Amino acid sequence: SAVISQKPSRDICQRGTSLTIQCQVDSQVTMMFWYRQQPGQSLTLIATANQGSEATYESGFVIDKFPISRPNLTFSTLTVSNMSPEDSSIYLCSVVGTSGSSDTQYFGPGTRLTVL
Amino acid sequence: QKEVEQNSGPLSVPEGAIASLNCTYSDRGSQSFFWYRQYSGKSPELIMFIYSNGDKEDGRFTAQLNKASQYVSLLIRDSQPSDSATYLCAVNAASKIIFGSGTRLSIRP
Repeated sequence: SAVISQKPSRDICQRGTSLTIQCQVDSQVTMMFWYRQQPGQSLTLIATANQGSEATYESGFVIDKFPISRPNLTFSTLTVSNMSPEDSSIYLCSVVGTSGSSDTQYFGPGTRLTVL
Repeated sequence: QKEVEQNSGPLSVPEGAIASLNCTYSDRGSQSFFWYRQYSGKSPELIMFIYSNGDKEDGRFTAQLNKASQYVSLLIRDSQPSDSATYLCAVNAASKIIFGSGTRLSIRP
């Protein structure tokens, strides 16, 4: 399985500011995703980070609020813009890797964001 | 109807017993099914995946898939206190993995 790291692991931010979260993978991966997990909730897919093109956003998420970069096959960033307390959540980077002959999805350790 | 449904729990099971976690899904075209374990404050950890109808065993864990009934389950034998966590069912549908809301499992000593 791929080893995924995220930075920062946690942050406390003021309303109206922006935070960029970095995701680094130890091997080249084709598929990379960003998820949000709000307190007590399950995972919600924000977008698919596409290398060399614009990210593909899920319903309810827009590029202006969550701009994503994917400059190469091992790295991506997610920015949470103009933050409000409702953005307090854990943000998770995820990649598709191969286990045996099958594709499976693995998660980074997450970034815990608190917006005051 | 949610795409992937799970009972939120909490499911309380005595230590040493079998814990049974259930999941149903709506997309008949789904081909891949996953179980993740998530400890509080941690990210999800893949514990099982299954693609074919029937049972798949890995140590104390058994995943069961019934595509006709659109049903997937996870059995944990000889439950340990360390198994206490939230278990997320996930289904690959249209090239995306959709997660259920998770079942909170508590193993009581």
